[in-house]
Amino acid sequence: GAVVSQHPSWVICKSGTSVKIECRSLDFQATTMFWYRQFPKQSLMLMATSNEGSKATYEQGVEKDKFLINHASLTLSTLTVTSAHPEDSSFYICSARAGGTGQETQYFGPGTRLLVL
Amino acid sequence: ELKVEQNPLFLSMQEGKNYTIYCNYSTTSDRLYWYRQDPGKSLESLFVLLSNGAVKQEGRLMASLDTKARLSTLHITAAVHDLSATYFCAVDFSGTYKYIFGTGTRLKVLA
Repeated sequence: GAVVSQHPSWVICKSGTSVKIECRSLDFQATTMFWYRQFPKQSLMLMATSNEGSKATYEQGVEKDKFLINHASLTLSTLTVTSAHPEDSSFYICSARAGGTGQETQYFGPGTRLLVL
Repeated sequence: ELKVEQNPLFLSMQEGKNYTIYCNYSTTSDRLYWYRQDPGKSLESLFVLLSNGAVKQEGRLMASLDTKARLSTLHITAAVHDLSATYFCAVDFSGTYKYIFGTGTRLKVLA
């Protein structure tokens, strides 16, 4: 099956620093990846759609200058949380879209837990 | 605005009992997905429902989709403790391949 990895799985940083999270599709190519965040005991909220070779599309209310997304290859998308603050602490999950026409589905990474002190 | 609501939000049930989780959504979609999430973990795919009337079963779980009613159900048969987790449905926002997740149902199966 399709496997998506994320790195790091855990990160603790000081307020004001930037943190980069990588999302890789290991055994397939993904022209489209998605980034979600999840607060404790809440649902997943779609942050942005990452398209290979073009700018990401952000959901309403998500600051694009705060959450920089780069999808430089068909197997890698990165999310950079710039000038992180404690309110950015969350569980960040990426997914990659794959499958034939009409059968597309998303494969989810294991998530990255960010704690900003 | 697309809304996806699950009912109930919390469910505590005895082992061996049956129960159904409901997922209602507010706009047209032909694709619905069910996921399981264990504490501190990411999502595990359970079912992919791609058409009206689709029914899929795996072990003690069965999922169905009624696109006309904009309703999906996840039925649990003879629950066991290992099914304790949070279950999410997700709707494919038609034509965009974006998933909008439901509110989640936290299930606890008591031994």
